[in-house]
Amino acid sequence: DTGVSQDPRHKITKRGQNVTFRCDPISEHNRLYWYRQTLGQGPEFLTYFQNEAQLEKSRLLSDRFSAERPKGSFSTLEIQRTEQGDSAMYLCASSRSGRAGYEQYFGPGTRLTVT
Amino acid sequence: QKEVEQNSGPLSVPEGAIASLNCTYSDRGSQSFFWYRQYSGKSPELIMFIYSNGDKEDGRFTAQLNKASQYVSLLIRDSQPSDSATYLCAVSPAGNNRKLIWGLGTSLAVNP
Repeated sequence: DTGVSQDPRHKITKRGQNVTFRCDPISEHNRLYWYRQTLGQGPEFLTYFQNEAQLEKSRLLSDRFSAERPKGSFSTLEIQRTEQGDSAMYLCASSRSGRAGYEQYFGPGTRLTVT
Repeated sequence: QKEVEQNSGPLSVPEGAIASLNCTYSDRGSQSFFWYRQYSGKSPELIMFIYSNGDKEDGRFTAQLNKASQYVSLLIRDSQPSDSATYLCAVSPAGNNRKLIWGLGTSLAVNP
């Protein structure tokens, strides 16, 4: 059972550029989550998919952020017109749903640095 | 505002001792409770979850849940220097098992 994978692991970009991150969940997990984490804070929820449907999106998330999970498998998170405040670790997690247990397992994260 | 609170630490224990980490939560209806370990610069790693009142043991780790008092704790027996990390408590609010409310974490240092 392979874990959650994320790509790239590190991304350095200049302010104003667009970036896209990919997440591959654990294969039998139908739920996928995106979080953002900065130093000294717990993970901040960004958005959540069940299968291919995006069911929840944080109100804190600006319109510059968009996420997709087109076939209910991998997901992408895009940030347009990056700002220095977007520098953070972007975390993806996956889980089952229902009685099978819904513990969330995290990938290794993508560290974004906006210069 | 649903909250999860943890002492930030650092909690310092000698190698071989029991480390006790505590977490309180404000939503009385919360159903699911999770402990994650996070090493510096790495992502959170799930180490324990508990859904029912009482104790749950897994190797050197024991999670204890007391819903009446609204706290959950994590005990680490025979602490090792490799246990030095930040431990994050996360709670699912009532009626929403897809959402996690996170504490800020407790930093644990195990001294050889």
